Amino acid sequence: DVVMTQSPLSLPVTLGQPASISCRSSQSLVYSDGNTYLNWFQQRPGQSPRRLIYKVSNRDSGVPDRFSGSGSGTDFTLKISRVEAEDVGIYYCMQGTHWPRTFGQGTKVEIK
Amino acid sequence: EVQLVESGGGLVQPGGSLRLSCAASGFTEYTFSDYWLLWVRQAPGKGLVWVSYISSDGTTTNYADSVKGRFTISRDNAKNTLFLQMNSLRADDTAVYYCVRDAWGPDYWGQGTLVTVSP
Repeated sequence: DVVMTQSPLSLPVTLGQPASISCRSSQSLVYSDGNTYLNWFQQRPGQSPRRLIYKVSNRDSGVPDRFSGSGSGTDFTLKISRVEAEDVGIYYCMQGTHWPRTFGQGTKVEIK
Repeated sequence: EVQLVESGGGLVQPGGSLRLSCAASGFTEYTFSDYWLLWVRQAPGKGLVWVSYISSDGTTTNYADSVKGRFTISRDNAKNTLFLQMNSLRADDTAVYYCVRDAWGPDYWGQGTLVTVSP
């Protein structure tokens, strides 16, 4: 199975400041069609995961533009340009290139 | 709007069985029978772990080592429903179980159903 490794696992952030989460995969996530299926999810307390970003850098409908994704191959990053109170939660990277689908350990974003 | 609604969770004794169901609706661009589906679980305070997945036509299935031989995934495309039969349940199966649609990676998740295995 592809191992997804996130860092940091805990991220205290001041409101209005940027935040960055790293995700590394044990194998390349480039599929034979040329696409890279790396997604980012947000899980707010008591809720199901919600997809924010798909194929590395594409924001889902309704996702604020302060969220952005980047990266290639095996190294990926989720950035929040200015953290707001509603961004508190756990963020997971997930790969959709290989079966089984696998997930990072999660990064807990909290307000300082 | 895509909806995945799980049911069937609850409190069960070790060694017992449960059958989870997931009713899907609101698929627009493609139908239920076009999608691979997963069960993913989350133990209290822990991360997300895949449990099982099934192909769009039900002919391909796979299981995490921790549940292999005890859990069975299936689907009824005529009724837009996904199932997970869980036998020989253990304390470490205690978790919220999510039904997840896969579109080049998980996209939509249900609200989850809690399974608690305890004497």
